[in-house]
Amino acid sequence: GAGVSQSPRYKVAKRGQDVALRCDPISGHVSLFWYQQALGQGPEFLTYFQNEAQLDKSGLPSDRFFAERPEGSVSTLKIQRTQQEDSAVYLCASSLVAVGETQYFGPGTRLLVL
Amino acid sequence: SQQGEEDPQALSIQEGENATMNCSYKTSINNLQWYRQNSGRGLVHLILIRSNEREKHSGRLRVTLDTSKKSSSLLITASRAADTASYFCATEANTGFQKLVFGTGTRLLVSP
Repeated sequence: GAGVSQSPRYKVAKRGQDVALRCDPISGHVSLFWYQQALGQGPEFLTYFQNEAQLDKSGLPSDRFFAERPEGSVSTLKIQRTQQEDSAVYLCASSLVAVGETQYFGPGTRLLVL
Repeated sequence: SQQGEEDPQALSIQEGENATMNCSYKTSINNLQWYRQNSGRGLVHLILIRSNEREKHSGRLRVTLDTSKKSSSLLITASRAADTASYFCATEANTGFQKLVFGTGTRLLVSP
């Protein structure tokens, strides 16, 4: 595809429910990132993959958050037992190489936990 | 946590005027990138400036970088109503990992 795609675009979950957010990066991009953006704030880093290897997960806020990229392309961010504070926009980005290149962002998934 | 601050937090101008936004950051960087975000949409990459560059142009955009002051500025010349958006700077640290650390953003409103 021409750009990074994410699905679903919107997700409403009841507190305690598990959710899975999908990211399709630009074909051939080695690096994939997840960011969380709270209302009125800049995005904050969650985790980073280089191909299928998760090299940095220092931004994941708790052990309820889990991300995977098993074949080095599509990635899934899973949030277990969602809480109201998880409500945010989750952004996925990809870049061609490992360091020093432009990151291209998807449209995001807006998660609302009730 | 956010890397640094953007200034101003909000800016309101008329079409045709220039808009200047400033960004300050805290650590040594590989590069600094500017992004635009329209309401409810994803981030659109505008320009990347590397740590060994001082100025870069792209169309109506001019970015400067002063690594000694750990600051950058984005100038949009001859603004248009379509430039209305939030603008974020983001830094890539020179630690070997690519993660971007974003500023708090400047909300720009351009009135016709």
